Amino acid sequence: EAGVAQSPRYKIIEKRQSVAFWCNPISGHATLYWYQQILGQGPKLLIQFQNNGVVDDSQLPKDRFSAERLKGVDSTLKIQPAKLEDSAVYLCASRASGRGYEQYFGPGTRLTVT
Amino acid sequence: RKEVEQDPGPFNVPEGATVAFNCTYSNSASQSFFWYRQDCRKEPKLLMSVYSSGNEDGRFTAQLNRASQYISLLIRDSKLSDSATYLCVANGGSNYKLTFGKGTLLTVNP
Repeated sequence: EAGVAQSPRYKIIEKRQSVAFWCNPISGHATLYWYQQILGQGPKLLIQFQNNGVVDDSQLPKDRFSAERLKGVDSTLKIQPAKLEDSAVYLCASRASGRGYEQYFGPGTRLTVT
Repeated sequence: RKEVEQDPGPFNVPEGATVAFNCTYSNSASQSFFWYRQDCRKEPKLLMSVYSSGNEDGRFTAQLNRASQYISLLIRDSKLSDSATYLCVANGGSNYKLTFGKGTLLTVNP
């Protein structure tokens, strides 16, 4: 079974530029998550989708971050404009519906904002 | 107060040692708990779930004390391959939203 795919794996941009990340979850997983992991910290949830609807985006900085999950499969996370403090690894995870199912993480996109 | 707090670490132990990780959570509504392992520059992976009765998986034992809102992970006979960051995780509610601690870095030395 293929895992969660993410691209790009690495991205370097200058502050005030825009960037987008892509995630393809495990086939059939209805729930998709985007996390931000700053060096030395645990992952922090940015947004959670159930199919193509948003379940929780309470920690998403909506003035600069946006995310969508069209057709309930792939998802994109965008930052516009980027700030230095956005330098982090952006992890996508997916989970099957129902209780007790594990979240599976993708390899992440390492963003450096200079 | 952070939702999930862990020992700051890092821990450096020799092979064969027993090491314990401690974690507390602040949200009394949290329903389930996990330990994740994260290798350097890799994604987190589920190590084990934590049950009220305590559970064991080989050299790994997890305990949960709901009254104290405390979670622990014990690794016995540590191996070089156990070197990683261990993340304590709480599920906050029906949306299956996971809250991660900062993680504790473990290095097992030969």
